[in-house]
Amino acid sequence: QLQLQESGSGLVKPSQTLSLTCAVSGGSISSGGYSWSWIRQPPGKGLEWIGYIYHTGSTYYNPSLKSRVTTSVDRSQNQFSLKLSSVTAADTAVYYCARGEGGNSHFDYWGRGTLVTVSS
Amino acid sequence: QSVLTQPPSASGTPGQRVTISCSGSRSNIGSNDVYWYQQFPGMAPKLLIYRNNQRPSGVPDRFSGSKSGTSASLATSGLRSEDEADYYCATWDDSLSVVVFGGGTQLIVL
Repeated sequence: QLQLQESGSGLVKPSQTLSLTCAVSGGSISSGGYSWSWIRQPPGKGLEWIGYIYHTGSTYYNPSLKSRVTTSVDRSQNQFSLKLSSVTAADTAVYYCARGEGGNSHFDYWGRGTLVTVSS
Repeated sequence: QSVLTQPPSASGTPGQRVTISCSGSRSNIGSNDVYWYQQFPGMAPKLLIYRNNQRPSGVPDRFSGSKSGTSASLATSGLRSEDEADYYCATWDDSLSVVVFGGGTQLIVL
């Protein structure tokens, strides 16, 4: 059974960079045909897709966040990462990592999510 | 405001059939498959319906999805108290080049 687990700083100061990692277990991140996404959910609000990365390193980001987002994959550690720069309070959210089938909205495995609060 | 429009809430009594709608446009629902997610408070979303009307293994057949034109629907028949959760539709938007989610519908079992 595939499992995903987010980790990273739960508190980030405004203007700094949010960094999260998603560890994948029970399967290989290098499996063909799958994308690895980041999705966030502000408290009490709906879901927002941030972007995805393939094991090859190919990426695709939400245009509204593209200028601030960087993702990377570490095949040796079977994990992928998210960096979001110049954060503000609006970036406070639960951040989920998820496996996708190709580049669509088919997310079949999700991490439990991690709350990131942006505050001084 | 979400690109996909869902009612904020829906309700029904145990045993009833309840439908949740998801309205979009030609560039999203009209051109791509729709997915539905179920989310309980404090939990990660769970894939409920994929490719408009397919159920992943383990999802009860009480849940069904459909799509027509630029709208999609999720139906829950034989409503149970454990179905009380938030439900989100999702698809790809060709114009925005982004995955879009509906605003979510809170299903209340009376």
